[in-house]
Amino acid sequence: AQSVTQLGSHVSVSEGALVLLRCNYSSSVPPYLFWYVQYPNQGLQLLLKYTSAATLVKGINGFEAEFKKSETSFHLTKPSAHMSDAAEYFCAVSDGGSNYKLTFGKGTLLTVNP
Amino acid sequence: SQTIHQWPATLVQPVGSPLSLECTVEGTSNPNLYWYRQAAGRGLQLLFYSVGIGQISSEVPQNLSASRPQDRQFILSSKKLLLSDSGFYLCAWSDNGGADEKLFFGSGTQLSVL
Repeated sequence: AQSVTQLGSHVSVSEGALVLLRCNYSSSVPPYLFWYVQYPNQGLQLLLKYTSAATLVKGINGFEAEFKKSETSFHLTKPSAHMSDAAEYFCAVSDGGSNYKLTFGKGTLLTVNP
Repeated sequence: SQTIHQWPATLVQPVGSPLSLECTVEGTSNPNLYWYRQAAGRGLQLLFYSVGIGQISSEVPQNLSASRPQDRQFILSSKKLLLSDSGFYLCAWSDNGGADEKLFFGSGTQLSVL
């Protein structure tokens, strides 16, 4: 069985500050890991994904995440927050099967203050 | 290009009434289809997934059912809604391929059961 834990349901940063959203996973197989973003009243969009290639993954909008097997972590970062980054962010892990089911974390709401 | 349509965007229904949410995908064939529910503070929960016409897998026991009458159509139903069915329902699709395939989400349906 697989699971995802997102530490912090709400993170608040100032515009221009570092964004760090934490995600730890549990998986019995080598995981595929994803970060999705959800803007208010919308569906989810893929930010980036890790698929066993480079451990540092770059995504859209300046976000990146680093896969650390020893820490079972996949934290999302962005060097400088922008007001438009305010949204809810979800970390997810794939079960590795051909039917491709994702297990999502509970989400972290990012607030960016001017 | 591929698109996913989900409707209605919002729905208010009385307890005990039936439910039908529809999702269609265009621009691809034989996709995997998914229904997720997002309840406040609880992240996304996979309700159903389908790998082909008439093939439905249920992830959790509940008051809801799903059907796939056509290749690119996925319907979420209930005969009698409960208060606990309130939430944000998201349809999604992925290519019928490997576990590293990303999900494409619809814009969601906000269901309020009163």
